[in-house]
Amino acid sequence: KAGVTQTPRYLIKTRGQQVTLSCSPISGHRSVSWYQQTPGQGLQFLFEYFSETQRNKGNFPGRFSGRQFSNSRSEMNVSTLELGDSALYLCASSLEVGAAGELFFGEGSRLTVL
Amino acid sequence: AQSVTQPDIHITVSEGASLELRCNYSYGATPYLFWYVQSPGQGLQLLLKYFSGDTLVQGIKGFEAEFKRSQSSFNLRKPSVHWSDAAEYFCAVGVIQGFQKLVFGTGTRLLVSP
Repeated sequence: KAGVTQTPRYLIKTRGQQVTLSCSPISGHRSVSWYQQTPGQGLQFLFEYFSETQRNKGNFPGRFSGRQFSNSRSEMNVSTLELGDSALYLCASSLEVGAAGELFFGEGSRLTVL
Repeated sequence: AQSVTQPDIHITVSEGASLELRCNYSYGATPYLFWYVQSPGQGLQLLLKYFSGDTLVQGIKGFEAEFKRSQSSFNLRKPSVHWSDAAEYFCAVGVIQGFQKLVFGTGTRLLVSP
């Protein structure tokens, strides 16, 4: 069974631009979460989606948004990029709903903002 | 608010020696606890999890962890470390409230010396 797939793996943007990252969950998984990982702040929860609905959002500005499609694939978007948005963005999918299901992580999309 | 503390930023262990990584959590309810490992350039892989029941849980790659409610701890152990265990280890508490998110510690980087 294929794992969580994130694209692109690496990308470089400049300040003020926007970026869209994609995540394909494990087949059958309906919950998708996004995390930001930086050396200074560590791993921080961005948002979680289930059945195309955002169920929870972390403490990030409105420039960070996401969505989930009917096939459970998810995208996150960051608008008006800032230098501090440089990070590894990790997507995770889960089978179970409302329970402590295991999160399966992708390898991440490494964003560099110049 | 939920939080996880990993007091050791770096730990160096000789190959073949035993390992213990410390984790303390703060959570008002019964915690769901996890240990993840991250190799350079990779996503997170689940080592083990605790939901309930036996307080000593076994994971993959020979790791185990013990949940101690009285100490709010969930320390990770391995009796004999291999060079391939060099990686960063993250402890996390699961917040399950109709949605699902993980609150991570800052991580402990394990170095294995020959």
